Amino acid sequence: EDQVTQSPEALRLQEGESSSLNCSYTVSGLRGLFWYRQDPGKGPEFLFTLYSAGEEKEKERLKATLTKKESFLHITAPKPEDSATYLCAVQGGSYIPTFGRGTSLIVHP
Amino acid sequence: DADVTQTPRNRITKTGKRIMLECSQTKGHDRMYWYRQDPGLGLRLIYYSFDVKDINKGEISDGYSVSRQAQAKFSLSLESAIPNQTALYFCATSDPSGLTDTQYFGPGTRLTVL
Repeated sequence: EDQVTQSPEALRLQEGESSSLNCSYTVSGLRGLFWYRQDPGKGPEFLFTLYSAGEEKEKERLKATLTKKESFLHITAPKPEDSATYLCAVQGGSYIPTFGRGTSLIVHP
Repeated sequence: DADVTQTPRNRITKTGKRIMLECSQTKGHDRMYWYRQDPGLGLRLIYYSFDVKDINKGEISDGYSVSRQAQAKFSLSLESAIPNQTALYFCATSDPSGLTDTQYFGPGTRLTVL
């Protein structure tokens, strides 16, 4: 059974204070690891797909990295508009993505 | 216009009532999904459909049923709603033609069962 654990559950940062979110996973035959952003009361919005260990992807202040056991979402010099819940999901041999419970990020001005 | 739409966006109903949530998509994707989201529990899969003739149960299908009326339409029904079905419900689509199934989500339906 595929499993995804995200930490921390909640993170509060000051504007400009860089940090990382963690996604640990176990999966049979990784096809891809996904990061999504979810604003309150809205549907998750796709950010990145990572396919293999060592891969990195960037978008504005966000950078996602992948190892064989975990992924990190690095947030550099965050702004208040980066406040959201960040979801991680993995897709393995079952073809059905498994989601973690998310990390709630609040960035204070 | 949104690629994945859900109706209604908000619904308040009473215990025992039959409720239908509808999802439509213009992305042309074959695969569609229904999830529910509860605080602290993340997204949990209710049902999924890989094409019009394919319907599969997810991890929490009890108390729910679905209908795939066309490639673009996937409906979720609660035959007899109960209070613990109060949650935020999301429809999603994906395209299996790539390496992975990146999912695209609708805006959600907030359902309250009194």
